[in-house]
Amino acid sequence: KAGVTQTPRYLIKTRGQQVTLSCSPISGHRSVSWYQQTPGQGLQFLFEYFSETQRNKGNFPGRFSGRQFSNSRSEMNVSTLELGDSALYLCASSGVRGYGYTFGSGTRLTVV
Amino acid sequence: SQQGEEDPQALSIQEGENATMNCSYKTSINNLQWYRQNSGRGLVHLILIRSNEREKHSGRLRVTLDTSKKSSSLLITASRAADTASYFCATDEETSGSRLTFGEGTQLTVNP
Repeated sequence: KAGVTQTPRYLIKTRGQQVTLSCSPISGHRSVSWYQQTPGQGLQFLFEYFSETQRNKGNFPGRFSGRQFSNSRSEMNVSTLELGDSALYLCASSGVRGYGYTFGSGTRLTVV
Repeated sequence: SQQGEEDPQALSIQEGENATMNCSYKTSINNLQWYRQNSGRGLVHLILIRSNEREKHSGRLRVTLDTSKKSSSLLITASRAADTASYFCATDEETSGSRLTFGEGTQLTVNP
């Protein structure tokens, strides 16, 4: 079966702009989580959506938001981009909690 | 925030040798998972061990969990050059809901 698909793979944006990243989970998976990976902070949890509802949220400012659609596809949005938002953004889907996650290949965002 | 530490931060071995990585964490967990990441791409789920398990095997992988010491180890036997990657432990904590808290990772280099 198809894996987790993230688009786009690479993105370059200017400070102050906003960006939307997309994630399509494995078919049948209703949970989608987002993580940010940077050299300085490592892998950090952003938020998790389940059946179109945000179920869990990490310690990120309100500029980071997300949503999930009825087909379980998810988007995350970052507004008013800062240089420090440059990172690899990873999406993970899960069918049942406690059985591991399947990650996408990530979107590498560079803010200039 | 990072759950704990991984040790060592970097490990370089020859093909055929065994590689051992250690992970410590701070809180009570439901399970602990190990992931591999190649060159800043997506994470690949390797193995999951539940809090009531002490040891688990999958192919050339062996994971142990000591909940009294809040630590885990990943052993890769008969390493291959293709095992070169970053390895992360991640905990599913009892009180944090459906999210993973990652360690800092171990960079493994297997020399041919």
